[in-house]
Amino acid sequence: DTEVTQTPKHLVMGMTNKKSLKCEQHMGHRAMYWYKQKAKKPPELMFVYSYEKLSINESVPSRFSPECPNSSLLNLHLHALQPEDSALYLCASSQVGTGLILSGNTIYFGEGSWLTVV
Amino acid sequence: GQQVMQIPQYQHVQEGEDFTTYCNSSTTLSNIQWYKQRPGGHPVFLIQLVKSGEVKKQKRLTFQFGEAKKNSSLHITATQTTDVGTYFCAGKVQGRGSTLGRLYFGRGTQLTVWP
Repeated sequence: DTEVTQTPKHLVMGMTNKKSLKCEQHMGHRAMYWYKQKAKKPPELMFVYSYEKLSINESVPSRFSPECPNSSLLNLHLHALQPEDSALYLCASSQVGTGLILSGNTIYFGEGSWLTVV
Repeated sequence: GQQVMQIPQYQHVQEGEDFTTYCNSSTTLSNIQWYKQRPGGHPVFLIQLVKSGEVKKQKRLTFQFGEAKKNSSLHITATQTTDVGTYFCAGKVQGRGSTLGRLYFGRGTQLTVWP
């Protein structure tokens, strides 16, 4: 069982809707991620938060807006999406190591939110 | 840019046969992680390899990390129908300033097992 919880599991939204995906973890991890996965493709990194601050934005369109209210929660706000944005959105978390630690940083994924944009 | 190449893309085997998927990076990796994703599911962490030449086993699964830390393999002995899914390798590039878990995923190998 995953310790990263995502809601909703399924979401259908119109191109003019505003919706949010939510993610929660209680493993004490201080790094949280949003990935997007299309069918038969590997997960693609979208955003990374470290200590509740946005650290990485992989040139994601502004219609996706991440938010990290606290160390356990991560949201992804969706607005004016396109049909091609339909995908599985995966939240993940990991520890944040120091530069001297080469091991660690194992990423744990949630079950994902299946998004369909109509 | 950084790429982790994974082959084969698809593998169909009969139950009881062995299966291997390979990953190769153009640059040295600090570690490599393996994930399994069942059809309709999410990636599930299997293992992480860190040391040069490391070999780890989980029951019928054997994971190897190359001496140069640029390649890795996953071998399944005597496959079962429960092994069905897509296996992804994900490498973390060595020498980067960021210590975050920024992984570069291979494209995955989709394993089908016939009963």
